[in-house]
Amino acid sequence: QVQLVESGGGVVQPGRSLRLSCVGSGFSFSTHGFHWVRQSPGKGLEWVAVIWYDGTSKFYVDSVKGRFTISRDTSKNTVYLQMNSLRVEDTAVYYCARDRYCKGGSCDAAPGYWGQGALVTVSS
Amino acid sequence: QSVMGQPPSASGTPGQSISISCSGSSSNIGRNYVYWYQHVPGTAPKLLIYRDNERPSGVPDRFSGSKSGTSVSLAISGLRSEDEADYYCAAWDDSLSGLVFGGGTKLTVL
Repeated sequence: QVQLVESGGGVVQPGRSLRLSCVGSGFSFSTHGFHWVRQSPGKGLEWVAVIWYDGTSKFYVDSVKGRFTISRDTSKNTVYLQMNSLRVEDTAVYYCARDRYCKGGSCDAAPGYWGQGALVTVSS
Repeated sequence: QSVMGQPPSASGTPGQSISISCSGSSSNIGRNYVYWYQHVPGTAPKLLIYRDNERPSGVPDRFSGSKSGTSVSLAISGLRSEDEADYYCAAWDDSLSGLVFGGGTKLTVL
């Protein structure tokens, strides 16, 4: 079955960097797109970034543009979220998620499978 | 302020039917598929509805989705205590070039 496991969360000071990893298993990694979605304390779900199945396109929410970078390493079945210049407001549980369906370039735009999440706390 | 609006809360008694609305615009719901998620905080969100009104395998037929113009609804029939969770709509927004979530609706089963 599809499994997504995040790692790399922790406590970091404002202005510092952190890299989240997400290892996928139980499916053909190279044929799917991946999202990062976060939930700040007391808030709703917020989409952060997506990388398409072929890695040719990446999109970000405005609040992280220029600071966060999504990437993938197909040889390791891993998706990354490099987070630089972290702010207190980036504190959240970060979920890695995979599209529900992707075949022949026709892919769902939203996630179908989710990991359990990684907590990132930005605090001095 | 979310791009797509949902009522912050909804409630019902066991066995009742309820509906959760989600309103958007021509750049998201009006031209792209909508997805619905069930989320119990601290756990992984669960896909309930995809492509406006399709159910993934394993999701009970008590859950259904509908769409009209730039608004969508999630209907839940035969409410159960385990349905108590937060519910989110989501759609790709062509103007923002990103996925947008509704603000979420907290469902309480009384």
